[in-house]
Amino acid sequence: KQEVTQIPAALSVPEGENLVLNCSFTDSAIYNLQWFRQDPGKGLTSLLLIQSSQREQTSGRLNASLDKSSGRSTLYIAASQPGDSATYLCAHTGGYNKLIFGAGTRLAVHP
Amino acid sequence: ETGVTQSPTHLIKTRGQQVTLRCSSQSGHNTVSWYQQALGQGPQFIFQYYREEENGRGNFPPRFSGLQFPNYSSELNVNALELDDSALYLCASTRDAGSGANVLTFGAGSRLTVL
Repeated sequence: KQEVTQIPAALSVPEGENLVLNCSFTDSAIYNLQWFRQDPGKGLTSLLLIQSSQREQTSGRLNASLDKSSGRSTLYIAASQPGDSATYLCAHTGGYNKLIFGAGTRLAVHP
Repeated sequence: ETGVTQSPTHLIKTRGQQVTLRCSSQSGHNTVSWYQQALGQGPQFIFQYYREEENGRGNFPPRFSGLQFPNYSSELNVNALELDDSALYLCASTRDAGSGANVLTFGAGSRLTVL
């Protein structure tokens, strides 16, 4: 069974901190790994997509890395802001665009 | 690009009833997939449609069914609703049903409550 685990489940930090969110997966034959953001009661916004041949992707204050051999990905958020408060989900593609998601990390950044 | 739109945004049904959720895919996207997200969980893949045919299905019973239309809009139908069907239902579209290298565009979801 393909599984995706995200640690921690919840995180509360003061503004300005650098954060690391962790994602582990059991399927080493992944096509790609994506990180999404979800605001309460809303849909998903894709943040970063790492192809299986890549090691990392960066967008602004976000950096995501992928280590297929260990089945791990990390999302690094630099200089966190209150507007970063949301749930962060990682997912890998299990063929024909089927995404396998973790349960997410709920992030709260307080001023 | 118009994005992915879903309707209705919220609805309440009772056990045993049937529900139809609708999705309008992003322009140019011929593949649509549906996900169920229970409270506090990650989305679970229900099925995918490509050129009006189902081409992939997750671990959901046959009472979950779908349609995709020539204009790439789609429907998710759920019969004989159960309390556990209460969830956020997400629709996502992409350009093709191929290798999985394409980014999915998600709609905002339809929140279903079954009483």
